[in-house]
Amino acid sequence: GAGVSQSPRYKVTKRGQDVTLRCDPISSHATLYWYQQALGQGPEFLTYFNYEAQPDKSGLPSDRFSAERPEGSISTLTIQRTEQRDSAMYRCASTPKGLRGTGELFFGEGSRLTVL
Amino acid sequence: QQQVKQSPQSLIVQKGGISIINCAYENTAFDYFPWYQQFPGKGPALLIAIRPDVSEKKEGRFTISFNKSAKQFSLHIMDSQPGDSATYFCAARQGGSNYKLTFGKGTLLTVNP
Repeated sequence: GAGVSQSPRYKVTKRGQDVTLRCDPISSHATLYWYQQALGQGPEFLTYFNYEAQPDKSGLPSDRFSAERPEGSISTLTIQRTEQRDSAMYRCASTPKGLRGTGELFFGEGSRLTVL
Repeated sequence: QQQVKQSPQSLIVQKGGISIINCAYENTAFDYFPWYQQFPGKGPALLIAIRPDVSEKKEGRFTISFNKSAKQFSLHIMDSQPGDSATYFCAARQGGSNYKLTFGKGTLLTVNP
């Protein structure tokens, strides 16, 4: 597609429920990132994929968080047993072949998660 | 642990004035320093970036100044315009890795007409 697309844009859930967020990156981009952005803060790295491989998931806050990209294109971020502290904007970004060159990430508009 | 410290948190400038946003870092392994601009409801977008082997980079009204010895870098917006009103994030990439940017907390810039 023309840009990085994320869905849903807004998600309100009750504590303890599972949520899944979806990211559809720019079609030519091999590398996909997930960031968490709390209100008034900068984006914080969660995990990334090179095609379907997930070399680094060190930023995932707990084992309740998982991400996958099974066919190297669309990715999902799943949060199990949500907690109020999980409330944040979740941003997906993609870039062609990683950040080796320009450092330019192309961000989506994000999915705002609110856990009640 | 905040690896990139950004200030000020918010900034109000009159149209035509100069906006200055500062960032500092500790990790000497950082090798690339981009600035991102974010408008309300949108994702951050790359504005300008610099490598530590140069002290200044200019693109139009936007200039990055880089001080390697002080481990500081700053964004200067000359002739600030109301359309520049946005949140600005500095970031840093760790050398040797090609995947992860560490962002500052952001500066909300308001340019009054």
